[in-house]
Amino acid sequence: DGGITQSPKYLFRKEGQNVTLSCEQNLNHDAMYWYRQDPGQGLRLIYYSQIVNDFQKGDIAEGYSVSREKKESFPLTVTSAQKNPTAFYLCASRAYVDQETQYFGPGTRLLVL
Amino acid sequence: KQEVTQIPAALSVPEGENLVLNCSFTDSAIYNLQWFRQDPGKGLTSLLLIQSSQREQTSGRLNASLDKSSGRSTLYIAASQPGDSATYLCAVVPLSGTYKYIFGTGTRLKVLA
Repeated sequence: DGGITQSPKYLFRKEGQNVTLSCEQNLNHDAMYWYRQDPGQGLRLIYYSQIVNDFQKGDIAEGYSVSREKKESFPLTVTSAQKNPTAFYLCASRAYVDQETQYFGPGTRLLVL
Repeated sequence: KQEVTQIPAALSVPEGENLVLNCSFTDSAIYNLQWFRQDPGKGLTSLLLIQSSQREQTSGRLNASLDKSSGRSTLYIAASQPGDSATYLCAVVPLSGTYKYIFGTGTRLKVLA
C-alpha cells in the first residue's frame, strides 16, 4: 500500500532532551512537509523540502531541525531549544506537479514529562 | 500576509440537515483552495481541491465553491450524517513564493443522530 507513515504515535520528551519524529513515504513524492497543530488551531508549517538534500524553514522553525538524505524520508528533530513542544505533529508529501494535493500521515503526539 | 479564517468554530446539527461551512482568505492571489477533513487524533484527508480558475467542485454529498474576488469559499454538505462529524479545515496555496499551504483554524462539526 502506498502512503505516509509516522512513528511513533506517541512520544514523551524529558526536559533538555532532543527527540526525533520519523516520517516515511513510498509515494515517490518530491516534496515533504512538517506541520505542528495545537488544540483548536490550524496547522502551522515548521519545515519543508522540495528535493533531496535541500530544505527550507517554514513559519515556526525555531527549536526544530530536519534532514532530507533520502527521497522517502524526512525526519524532524525537536531540540531542547523548543520550549513548548507539546503538540500534534503532522507530516505530508506532494508530487512536484502544480495543483497536486498534499497527502498526510497519521501524526505523532508529543508530550513533555 | 495571507490569513485564512473559518466561521463558525463549532457547529452542531441534527442528522439529515443540509449545512454550509465558511472559509475566508485575505489575499485573492492563490493557486488553489482545498478542503480537508480531520477526525480526532488523526491526520488530514483531502475532500475537494478547487483550482484558481474553477468556481466549484463536487464529490458525492459535498460541494465546494470558490469566489476569489471576495476571498470566500463554502463547503456544502447535503443530508448530513453522524459519520460526517469531524473537523473541517480549509487551506490556500498563495501564488507568490514556494508552493505551501496556509490553513484556517477549522470548523468542528457534530451531527446528532
